[in-house]
Amino acid sequence: AQSVTQLGSHVSVSEGALVLLRCNYSSSVPPYLFWYVQYPNQGLQLLLKYTSAATLVKGINGFEAEFKKSETSFHLTKPSAHMSDAAEYFCAVTRNSGNTPLVFGKGTRLSVIA
Amino acid sequence: NAGVTQTPKFQVLKTGQSMTLQCAQDMNHEYMSWYRQDPGMGLRLIHYSVGAGITDQGEVPNGYNVSRSTTEDFPLRLLSAAPSQTSVYFCASSYTPTSGSVNEQFFGPGTRLTVL
Repeated sequence: AQSVTQLGSHVSVSEGALVLLRCNYSSSVPPYLFWYVQYPNQGLQLLLKYTSAATLVKGINGFEAEFKKSETSFHLTKPSAHMSDAAEYFCAVTRNSGNTPLVFGKGTRLSVIA
Repeated sequence: NAGVTQTPKFQVLKTGQSMTLQCAQDMNHEYMSWYRQDPGMGLRLIHYSVGAGITDQGEVPNGYNVSRSTTEDFPLRLLSAAPSQTSVYFCASSYTPTSGSVNEQFFGPGTRLTVL
C-alpha cells in the first residue's frame, strides 16, 4: 500500500527564512508524488507534482521539491518565506498513472512570523 | 468555467437524518472523488468514480453512498447521519491523462457538516 508521512504537524518560520516541509513516502513501485496547499476555509490547490520526468520539481509561488529515491523523500522547500505562505500543506502519493486515488499525509501547518 | 462546485457550504444535521452533499464539475472530467478532512487526519478517501456508471470504495466508505449517472455530477449520500460523520467534505475531479502520466485533482471549496 502507498503511504506518506509528513514530519511535523506544525512548522513555524520567520518571514524571509527558509521553508522546509518534510515528506517521506512508502511505495512498492515508483510513485507519483504531489504537494497541495490549503488556505484557511478553502479547498486544496496543487503546488507541484513529481511524475519521474525530473527529480527537482518547481511549483507555484516559489516552491520546489526534490525527489530522492535513496531517502524515499519528497521534501518541499522555499528559499524565503512570505506571510502569505501561512497555510496547511499536504503531501500525497499515488502508485499508478491515469486516474487513481491519492493517499494524503496528515498535513503540516506552516506559520510565518513577522 | 466554474470548476468544481459543492453545495451546501454548511449543514447541521441531527443524528439519524439523511442528506445529500452535491458535487458538480463543468470541465468534462472523468474522474471524481470524495474526501473527508478531520483535524490531524489529513484527507481520507470515501468513494471515487472513474466515469459515469462506475464507482468504487475508498478508505472510509461506511455510512456513505454514491452514484454517478452523469459525467458532471457525483453526489454523496449520508443515509443515517452519526456524530462521527462531523467533518469537512471535499469533492475533487481530474481528467484522464496521457499514457504514463498522472494529472492533478481539482478540489471544490468543501462542505462543513456538523451532526448533533
